[in-house]
Formats: sequence, C-alpha cells, structure tokens
Amino acid sequence: DTGVSQDPRHKITKRGQNVTFRCDPISEHNRLYWYRQTLGQGPEFLTYFQNEAQLEKSRLLSDRFSAERPKGSFSTLEIQRTEQGDSAMYLCACTQSSGSNPDTQYFGPGTRLTVL
Amino acid sequence: GNSVTQMEGPVTLSEEAFLTINCTYTATGYPSLFWYVQYPGEGLQLLLKATKADDKGSNKGFEATYRKETTSFHLEKGSVQVSDSAVYFCALSDSSNYKLTFGKGTLLTVNP
Repeated sequence: DTGVSQDPRHKITKRGQNVTFRCDPISEHNRLYWYRQTLGQGPEFLTYFQNEAQLEKSRLLSDRFSAERPKGSFSTLEIQRTEQGDSAMYLCACTQSSGSNPDTQYFGPGTRLTVL
Repeated sequence: GNSVTQMEGPVTLSEEAFLTINCTYTATGYPSLFWYVQYPGEGLQLLLKATKADDKGSNKGFEATYRKETTSFHLEKGSVQVSDSAVYFCALSDSSNYKLTFGKGTLLTVNP
C-alpha cells in the first residue's frame, strides 16, 4: 500500500455518459499526476498539479477531459460524453517536489474504466 | 521528446534462471531512470531507480546501471523466482517537472 487511494476501483458506463474519478494522494505530497494505461501499454502522462495549480496537460487530454485539485489535496478527473476509446486504467501518482526524492512517484491502484 | 524503448515480451523463464530485460531511452537533460513492477491485480510499485550516470539501482536482487554512453538501463537478476512473475516497466523522469515516460512493459513469467 503506497498511501495513495483512488475511487472507484472499477467503473462501467455506457457511451455518452459522464464519469468522475477521485484520487487521494499522500497528504504532504504537493505534486499530483494523472496517467492513462491501455491494455498492453505503459502508462501515458495526462496532466499534473502542483498544489491546486494545473501546470501541464498532455495532447492526449481532449476537451472532454477535465481535472481539478481544488484545495491542493484530492483531485478529480472527469470525462464527459465517454467514448469506447476512453476504456483504460486511469492512474494517479504523487510526489513531494521539495523532498529528498522529488522524482519518485507513488502510484495508486488505479480506476479501471470500461465504456460499453 | 522523451521516449523509452524496452524489450518486448513475453519472457518465460524457469526458476533460478538469469534475467535481463533491455531498456534504452532518449531524453533531453539528465533524467532519472526507474524500473517499476506491476504484480497481477496490483498497482505500480517502484522497484529501483538511478539518478545519474554510472549509478546502480538495486532492490530484491534486481539491479540496473545507468549507462549514459549507451543510453541504457537494463534490468538484471541472477536467479529469478516464481514470485517475480509480473510486468516490468522501464521509465524516465523529466528533469523539469518529474513527469514519467514509460516503456510498453515486459511480461515476465517464471515457471517452477
């Protein structure tokens, strides 16, 4: 257990529905990252926050995707009008940028999304 | 941009065999290099890391050396166990924002 939790662990939805995932990082970690992992591939970077500020978004993050970290603690990732191609594992990770190992990220267990 | 290329699997070995999983990278700056492991049904776990050239990361009998001249970070273990069966990911960390770039992963199966 890394101390990072994600909810829900599994989500099945129908195409066109909206879904929201939540990540609770390690409490003192100020940086939070979202990745997407499809079957047989490595995780791909989506976006990251330092405290409550979203500092970078990947081109993978279409305008149907939005992420927030309102108080610099937990984060949410929302997908609007889901498509079958959104089916993947969504991973959250965190790190403390001012700590002794700022490059070491701790991952949550992921949310597996299936779009029917 | 940054990229990681790792040996495609699957790799199947007998217990106590020697393991090598090759990993090469392309990056600007001076990235840190990582091996992450994903056991069946579990999340990604950090296995080992190296932060600069010639550093050797090691953990649980696994080793990897940061080779700047060959841009490589190959994973090795002298004697694998059934419990090492998992997917192994090589990754690098961007030196400015620490975002990770992963390889595609290598599935290792160790048979008794």
